[in-house]
Amino acid sequence: KAGVTQTPRYLIKTRGQQVTLSCSPISGHRSVSWYQQTPGQGLQFLFEYFSETQRNKGNFPGRFSGRQFSNSRSEMNVSTLELGDSALYLCASSLGLAGYPDTQYFGPGTRLTVL
Amino acid sequence: AQTVTQSQPEMSVQEAETVTLSCTYDTSENNYYLFWYKQPPSRQMILVIRQEAYKQQNATENRFSVNFQKAAKSFSLKISDSQLGDTAMYFCAFPVTGNQFYFGTGTSLTVIP
Repeated sequence: KAGVTQTPRYLIKTRGQQVTLSCSPISGHRSVSWYQQTPGQGLQFLFEYFSETQRNKGNFPGRFSGRQFSNSRSEMNVSTLELGDSALYLCASSLGLAGYPDTQYFGPGTRLTVL
Repeated sequence: AQTVTQSQPEMSVQEAETVTLSCTYDTSENNYYLFWYKQPPSRQMILVIRQEAYKQQNATENRFSVNFQKAAKSFSLKISDSQLGDTAMYFCAFPVTGNQFYFGTGTSLTVIP
């Protein structure tokens, strides 16, 4: 099976712009989670989508949003970019079975730099 | 609140030797799962091993094994016969709810030839 793919791999934006990141999960996986990784804060959970619905949400401002399509592909959007949004954004997919946590399989990440 | 603590920011080991990475956690749950992930310089997060708390037996995957002590809330990772390819950041991860994982701060492991 193909692994989790993320596009683009690298992005450079300026403050105030918005950005959309894309994630395609492993075939058959219905859950997609997003994480932000920075040197200062480490890995932080953004949100999880399952069957086109947000199932869990981390402690991030409303500028961070996402969605999931019927084919389980997910997009993450960040509006009004700030310098502090510079990070590696990781997407992870899993089966999404209810009742217990799945093993999450990660994509290669999107490196976002905000100037 | 659930927390995960990795108290060793950096470690090194000679090739072919054994090294143990520590992780402690806090939870009020009785049934849960714990994970170790590695992140090599390529930045791709890779699952190393997973442990179900209700299982008495420690999980093992080839050269990787865990020492899970539920009462002490300790979940250490042992790497045997260390190889150069084991050089990476290692994260202990705990699912807070569903697939919302909480990651420790990581241990940077360097395998020395």
